[in-house]
Amino acid sequence: EAQVTQNPRYLITVTGKKLTVTCSQNMNHEYMSWYRQDPGLGLRQIYYSMNVEVTDKGDVPEGYKVSRKEKRNFPLILESPSPNQTSLYFCASSLSYRATYEQYFGPGTRLTVT
Amino acid sequence: RKEVEQDPGPFNVPEGATVAFNCTYSNSASQSFFWYRQDCRKEPKLLMSVYSSGNEDGRFTAQLNRASQYISLLIRDSKLSDSATYLCVVSDDRGSTLGRLYFGRGTQLTVWP
Repeated sequence: EAQVTQNPRYLITVTGKKLTVTCSQNMNHEYMSWYRQDPGLGLRQIYYSMNVEVTDKGDVPEGYKVSRKEKRNFPLILESPSPNQTSLYFCASSLSYRATYEQYFGPGTRLTVT
Repeated sequence: RKEVEQDPGPFNVPEGATVAFNCTYSNSASQSFFWYRQDCRKEPKLLMSVYSSGNEDGRFTAQLNRASQYISLLIRDSKLSDSATYLCVVSDDRGSTLGRLYFGRGTQLTVWP
């Protein structure tokens, strides 16, 4: 089944404890992206990657890191999480960086930082 | 100023009603336009792309007005299952913002029996 998977789905952590949210797609998509969704603010792009070893900042990259060492995986790293990073996170992939293509979203990761 | 603006609603309509959502975007160089649907606590899913000439998919009609920089979505004969949040999405296919996607905050629709 073609899909985007994220792990973990739910995470409660404490301030400053490094964490990684994994994202993997099995559709051989070139483009991958991370978003956070907050009430009243909608979806905001954190980082995106147009291909392997190519990553760029989105609207809200501060406090996050990403890497794209292989095509299928695009982990999101929070080196020192803070409470303002409590949010619902979505990973997405698309056939190409050409934005005319449909974005396929993972099921989301709900992160709480205390 | 946010790149994409939507009326957040909520829109509460009876079954069978026709409802329209609008969305405006700020970058006149934007090239691609979409409507996504998001059910509560779920991931967004593509509803339809929006083409310059307008396009229809069953009960859904999308239109683009480049001169005024707005996009619309019309839902006819609303069903209970149409209850969701509708997200307007805009992107650029070229230049320094290639690869960036901009989401509106979403318009919430509730269809009641």
